[in-house]
Amino acid sequence: EPEVTQTPSHQVTQMGQEVILRCVPISNHLYFYWYRQILGQKVEFLVSFYNNEISEKSEIFDDQFSVERPDGSNFTLKIRSTKLEDSAMYFCASIGYATNEKLFFGSGTQLSVL
Amino acid sequence: AQTVTQSQPEMSVQEAETVTLSCTYDTSESDYYLFWYKQPPSRQMILVIRQEAYKQQNATENRFSVNFQKAAKSFSLKISDSQLGDAAMYFCAYRRGNRDDKIIFGKGTRLHILP
Repeated sequence: EPEVTQTPSHQVTQMGQEVILRCVPISNHLYFYWYRQILGQKVEFLVSFYNNEISEKSEIFDDQFSVERPDGSNFTLKIRSTKLEDSAMYFCASIGYATNEKLFFGSGTQLSVL
Repeated sequence: AQTVTQSQPEMSVQEAETVTLSCTYDTSESDYYLFWYKQPPSRQMILVIRQEAYKQQNATENRFSVNFQKAAKSFSLKISDSQLGDAAMYFCAYRRGNRDDKIIFGKGTRLHILP
């Protein structure tokens, strides 16, 4: 089965530093998403991305966050100045053209902000 | 706004027995999809089963089946012949029928399997 690939699997950073989380969605998919999950809590939507622009973003996705698809294959989430409360598992996901196609999740990047 | 509610934070079941996880949702849409995702300790999100709202027949996948009650906005997951590998967090989720719409998750139910 095709896979969404996320790197790194773990990222440790100091508060105030910038981090970039990387994702390679499935090659023929068109819609991309970032979600996050604080330990023990539910999975929360951050942002959706289609046709090289943001489709929707949540209230969590403030000016500290940005996304881009720099080269047609990678899909990145940047956090400009990390805060302690940004510590979470970040999931990338993608879906194909048909609406009933399932959403494929990557295995996540665990971000720890110290 | 759409919401997904899972009222059982934790459940336990004896191995080989059957367990049902509850989920209710709220939406004014007529075209949508419902999902159950499993999250084992590895924290990978694994799709267990999917239901299209326009289909009256309940979805089944091997030992997993759903009871979809559209009028009641209820979507429960039944796991038959529970196995130790079924121990995980289970999330109920909703998505509108639009192509680019997000999935909304419930808070999850942690399922313990007792040997």
